Amino acid sequence: EVQLVESGGGLVQPGGSLRLSCAASGFTFSSFAFHWVRQAPGKGLEFVSAISSNGGTTYYANSVEGRFTISRDNSKNTLYLQMGSLRAEDMAVYYCARKQRLTQGHYYFDYWGQGTLVTVSS
Amino acid sequence: DIQMTQSPSSLSASVGDRVTITCRASQSISNYLNWYQQKPGKGPKLLIYAASSLQSEVPSRFSGSGSGTDFTLIISSLQPEDFATYYCQQTYSSPPDTFGQGTRLEIK
Repeated sequence: EVQLVESGGGLVQPGGSLRLSCAASGFTFSSFAFHWVRQAPGKGLEFVSAISSNGGTTYYANSVEGRFTISRDNSKNTLYLQMGSLRAEDMAVYYCARKQRLTQGHYYFDYWGQGTLVTVSS
Repeated sequence: DIQMTQSPSSLSASVGDRVTITCRASQSISNYLNWYQQKPGKGPKLLIYAASSLQSEVPSRFSGSGSGTDFTLIISSLQPEDFATYYCQQTYSSPPDTFGQGTRLEIK
C-alpha cells in the first residue's frame, strides 16, 4: 500500500525555521518526482516546491524562493522541505504529493499525504 | 502563471442530483487538466486526469470533459460520500501548476 506521511509541522515564530519530512512507503521512491503543496486555513491549494526523481532538478514558487529548500534522500525514502525566514502568510497545512507522469507535460498527483500544519505566530 | 477559475464557488444539492462544476483557464491548456476531491482534514484525492480519464477505482458517476479553456466535472447522481470540495488543476504550464479556488459541494 502506498503511503505518504508528513511530519515536522508545529508552531514557529516569524523569522524562524522548520523542516518538514514526508516518509514514503509501498513503492519505489526513487522512481518518482514529488511536490509540496500547501493550503492556508480555509483556502485553496497552492504549489510550493517540486523535485525530480533523482533530486537534480528543483522548482519553487516565487513566494518561497530563497527561503525554502526542497530535498530528498532516496536511501531513506524521504522527502524534505527546509523552511526558513517564515512569515505569517506561510501558515498552512503542507502536503507532499507523488507526481505520476503520463506523457511530456501531462502529469497528476496520484497520492497525497495527510498533511502537516505549520503555524507561524509570535 | 495560468489562472484557473471555478464556478460556482459553492453549491447545495441533494442525494441523487446531477451536479456540474466548471473550470476555466486564463489561456488554452489543451487537456492538461486534473480534478481532485478533498474532504475535511484529508489530502486531496485524484478523480479525473487529462480532462476526461477516470482514475482507477473512482466511481463511474464522475466524469470530466473539455479542452482548451473550458472544462466540466459532472457527478451524475450524487451520493452522500460525494459532499466535499472539488479542485481543478492545470499542468500545461508548470511549474507552477495551478489550482482553481475550489467548489464546495454541500448537502441541501
